[in-house]
Amino acid sequence: GAGVSQSPSNKVTEKGKDVELRCDPISGHTALYWYRQSLGQGLEFLIYFQGNSAPDKSGLPSDRFSAERTGGSVSTLTIQRTQQEDSAVYLCASSSQRGNQETQYFGPGTRLLVL
Amino acid sequence: AQSVTQPDIHITVSEGASLELRCNYSYGATPYLFWYVQSPGQGLQLLLKYFSGDTLVQGIKGFEAEFKRSQSSFNLRKPSVHWSDAAEYFCAVAALGGGADGLTFGKGTHLIIQP
Repeated sequence: GAGVSQSPSNKVTEKGKDVELRCDPISGHTALYWYRQSLGQGLEFLIYFQGNSAPDKSGLPSDRFSAERTGGSVSTLTIQRTQQEDSAVYLCASSSQRGNQETQYFGPGTRLLVL
Repeated sequence: AQSVTQPDIHITVSEGASLELRCNYSYGATPYLFWYVQSPGQGLQLLLKYFSGDTLVQGIKGFEAEFKRSQSSFNLRKPSVHWSDAAEYFCAVAALGGGADGLTFGKGTHLIIQP
């Protein structure tokens, strides 16, 4: 079936504006992950959902970042009052169930540029 | 906390030559280990993974990796590279156990293929 999809593929915004990034996981996958990929920091884990619940939000870089998942499917990562250091590629992944042995399947990412 | 080191930022290999990409991990017990590949503008694709058992694991596209506990290494190999193998390669570790924290990635190795 279809893989993980993310939208938009590219987003340019002005500093101080809010942005919403969307992730559609593989159908039936209960676990969903968000990562950030930037030149300086490499790939960083942000947050994980099992169903609609995110047990640990400590990986989010600041309180300007939030994420939600509804209906056990689509997830949205919201960045409020964007800063230039938020510029990065935001990757979403899903797996069939929770557990670190499960393969995570990644989407193509959303490239965010904050001017 | 676990960590992953990929000592080589860039590697250049001639087409048809053999390849070895290095990965060292730091973790208190036997981890789950992964190699992912990322082509320009694409998401991450899983090449192979190690959980337990045979320390030599086979993956897609002719890649293999060997887990060496004594060296805390999980190096990726391919006997003969093709121009299409040019990409960014990431080694990753997941914690053993029931948790579902995200993957911890190395900084990546950029593979360049010379004709």
